[in-house]
Amino acid sequence: GAGVSQSPSNKVTEKGKDVELRCDPISGHTALYWYRQRLGQGLEFLIYFQGNSAPDKSGLPSDRFSAERTGESVSTLTIQRTQQEDSAVYLCASSLDDYGYTFGSGTRLTVV
Amino acid sequence: AQRVTQPEKLLSVFKGAPVELKCNYSYSGSPELFWYVQYSRQRLQLLLRHISRESIKGFTADLNKGETSFHLKKPFAQEEDSAMYYCALKRSGYSTLTFGKGTMLLVSP
Repeated sequence: GAGVSQSPSNKVTEKGKDVELRCDPISGHTALYWYRQRLGQGLEFLIYFQGNSAPDKSGLPSDRFSAERTGESVSTLTIQRTQQEDSAVYLCASSLDDYGYTFGSGTRLTVV
Repeated sequence: AQRVTQPEKLLSVFKGAPVELKCNYSYSGSPELFWYVQYSRQRLQLLLRHISRESIKGFTADLNKGETSFHLKKPFAQEEDSAMYYCALKRSGYSTLTFGKGTMLLVSP
């Protein structure tokens, strides 16, 4: 596609429910990243996929968070049993090399 | 662990005035530094990277390893420069970026 596509753009969920966030990277981009941005904070790394290598999950804040990616295509970030502190903008980015990310427009998650 | 610090949450200047957005980092290795920008209602996008030594939209940034800084500068600010600016660091051998908390630049007419 023309850019990195994320869906939904906004999601309001009740505390304790599970949510799935989707990221469709630029075709051909082998690397895919998920970041979280809480209000007033910088971007916090969550997880990184590179081709068929094992993902770097070092940024996932708890075992309630998980992500998958099929080959070099779509990725889904799943948050189980959501908590209010999970409220944030979740950003996905993809890249072809190490020298610059292309970001999606993000999913704004609100846990009520 | 590596860290990126942007000491100013908000920087407000008048059109035509010089601008300097500060970025300091802590990292024991040899870093690569980036500036990303987010204009109102737009996506976060790469502005420039130190390895390219380029000037984009009149902005420049020089990596100062002695002072561990990568300040973003522009001699004459324009209203369209108003945006959120993030400094980011890439560690040697890694692909992920560590971001600062960002500085909001407001350029008034």
